[in-house]
Amino acid sequence: DIQMTQSPSSLSASVGDRVTITCRASQGISNYLAWYQQKPGKVPKLLIYDASTLQSGVPSRFSGSGSGTDFTLTISSLQPEDVATYYCQKHDSPPYTFGQGTKLEIK
Amino acid sequence: QLQLQESGPGLVKPSETLSLTCTVSGGSVSSSNYFWDWIRQPPGRGLEWIGNIYSTGSTYYNPSLKSRVTISVDTSKNQFSLNLNSVTAADTAVYYCARRDGHWGQGTLVTVSS
Repeated sequence: DIQMTQSPSSLSASVGDRVTITCRASQGISNYLAWYQQKPGKVPKLLIYDASTLQSGVPSRFSGSGSGTDFTLTISSLQPEDVATYYCQKHDSPPYTFGQGTKLEIK
Repeated sequence: QLQLQESGPGLVKPSETLSLTCTVSGGSVSSSNYFWDWIRQPPGRGLEWIGNIYSTGSTYYNPSLKSRVTISVDTSKNQFSLNLNSVTAADTAVYYCARRDGHWGQGTLVTVSS
């Protein structure tokens, strides 16, 4: 089965910073990758699908890129409300594995 | 507006079967080309995909749980369900139902304990 590895596991950044989270698949998955945001105590929210397509209503400071095995989620200017754990998930074929998560905090 | 709601016992005894139902409103579980997922999250940990059922009725399961999981759909009630047998404390988690395009239920905490 394909494994999904995120890095870093946690990071701390300042408001206004550009933040990048990486997700690596152990085998190629084309562009079949989604990113989720989960705020503390809340339900995960779909941010991006097909690696780079922004879900409706998601702020434009979020963007995704990548194809094959390497993917990135970028927040162009970090806001306080972006404090959350971010997960990638492959959605090419089952099993639809999640990455282990990246916890983002404000410095 | 599509809404999903999980329901079922919040406490299950070890070795018994965990059974949850997801009721869908504002849309049909028979809708073409949608995956209906079950996902869980142990306390303080990450997300784990359990399995799903496609609009055709085909099911797919996480290999690590496959021997214990069954997902089914009841189109007459607009629901889909999860059965996980032979549970242990490691199955304690918040269980979510979801549609692949980003609609999730609120989640339900299931604790496995005697």
